[in-house]
Amino acid sequence: ILNVEQSPQSLHVQEGDSTNFTCSFPSSNFYALHWYRWETAKSPEALFVMTLNGDEKKKGRISATLNTKEGYSYLYIKGSQPEDSATYLCATNYGGSQGNLIFGKGTKLSVKP
Amino acid sequence: DAGVIQSPRHEVTEMGQEVTLRCKPISGHNSLFWYRQTMMRGLELLIYFNNNVPIDDSGMPEDRFSAKMPNASFSTLKIQPSEPRDSAVYFCASKMAGQNQPQHFGDGTRLSIL
Repeated sequence: ILNVEQSPQSLHVQEGDSTNFTCSFPSSNFYALHWYRWETAKSPEALFVMTLNGDEKKKGRISATLNTKEGYSYLYIKGSQPEDSATYLCATNYGGSQGNLIFGKGTKLSVKP
Repeated sequence: DAGVIQSPRHEVTEMGQEVTLRCKPISGHNSLFWYRQTMMRGLELLIYFNNNVPIDDSGMPEDRFSAKMPNASFSTLKIQPSEPRDSAVYFCASKMAGQNQPQHFGDGTRLSIL
């Protein structure tokens, strides 16, 4: 059974702090790793999709790295702002390009002003 | 682009009633996914379609749940008869072909079965 683990489960930081969290996944039969940002009362919004070992993606103050050999990805937020408060989900897919995503339970980030 | 459109946004009904949730995927997307979000289990996949054909329905909890995709622009998730434990937020998502493509989620339907 494919299992995607995220840690920590929740995180509280002060505005301006930089933070990071982890997504672990089975490295065998890897196809792609997705990160989503999910604000309360809204729907998940795609941040990054990464497929190659060593991939690094960046969007503003948020960046992500991928290690497919050891099965983990890090998400970094530089200089956290209150509007970064959300649950960050990672997911990986199996079954090729048509396969579904298996989501982790997410890391809930709260940024205090 | 209107995004993935789900209806209704909220549904409150009594147990035993039939519930139908609707989804219009983004035009040009060939895969459609139905998810259920609960506190206990997080976001879990119920079923997904590729080119209107159901590919994996192993996440559908019981025979009371059924899903159809009669054409590329419409899908339904039906619960009959509904039970209180079906109360959850149901999301629909769609994506273009290709493993690099992200899924685009609708705003969800918040279902409450009394």
